[in-house]
Amino acid sequence: DQQVKQNSPSLSVQEGRISILNCDYTNSMFDYFLWYKKYPAEGPTFLISISSIKDKNEDGRFTVFLNKSAKHLSLHIVPSQPGDSAVYFCAAEPETSGSRLTFGEGTQLTVNP
Amino acid sequence: DVKVTQSSRYLVKRTGEKVFLECVQDMDHENMFWYRQDPGLGLRLIYFSYDVKMKEKGDIPEGYSVSREKKERFSLILESASTNQTSMYLCASSFGGRPNYGYTFGSGTRLTVV
Repeated sequence: DQQVKQNSPSLSVQEGRISILNCDYTNSMFDYFLWYKKYPAEGPTFLISISSIKDKNEDGRFTVFLNKSAKHLSLHIVPSQPGDSAVYFCAAEPETSGSRLTFGEGTQLTVNP
Repeated sequence: DVKVTQSSRYLVKRTGEKVFLECVQDMDHENMFWYRQDPGLGLRLIYFSYDVKMKEKGDIPEGYSVSREKKERFSLILESASTNQTSMYLCASSFGGRPNYGYTFGSGTRLTVV
């Protein structure tokens, strides 16, 4: 039972354009969401997060949007850069679990020069 | 600079061997986690620990055990390695409580069981 789903295994965009990565969840108890970025042969690194009391959080080129009614969140990267090429994981945490995260399958983003 | 260190980057073990994967963090984090990463399956939680000598099963604990004798160290044990345990293993740690400021991950151990 995949509670966090990233339906696009891969995404390819041109440098300078917008990258939009999507994530859906099924567990209505999730109330905190995070995005991680992973380069090959490295561990994932924290990118940005959002609490369920917000619908948008922005950090430089990265913005995360949360639509609670649709149980959907997205990560926007503007403008995309070749160094953004990595696997992006969406993660979610229910309010009762302490800090246990459930991760999606990941989306491989490729930004072409 | 905060760090989670996994003892080996690459390991090759034989079927049936007992395998130890070690993880050490220097951030005084309460929580530690073991995940495995497989293509198309993302990161799946094997075991986690919220305190010394405490452990909880994750989503896929079968075939694994863990040990946390000291706060900074969390070991994953494959009791009798099998080929379906060939995977990338990732250790992570975090502060307890809310909000969750995110995990710090180690660089991973690529385990191949032959």
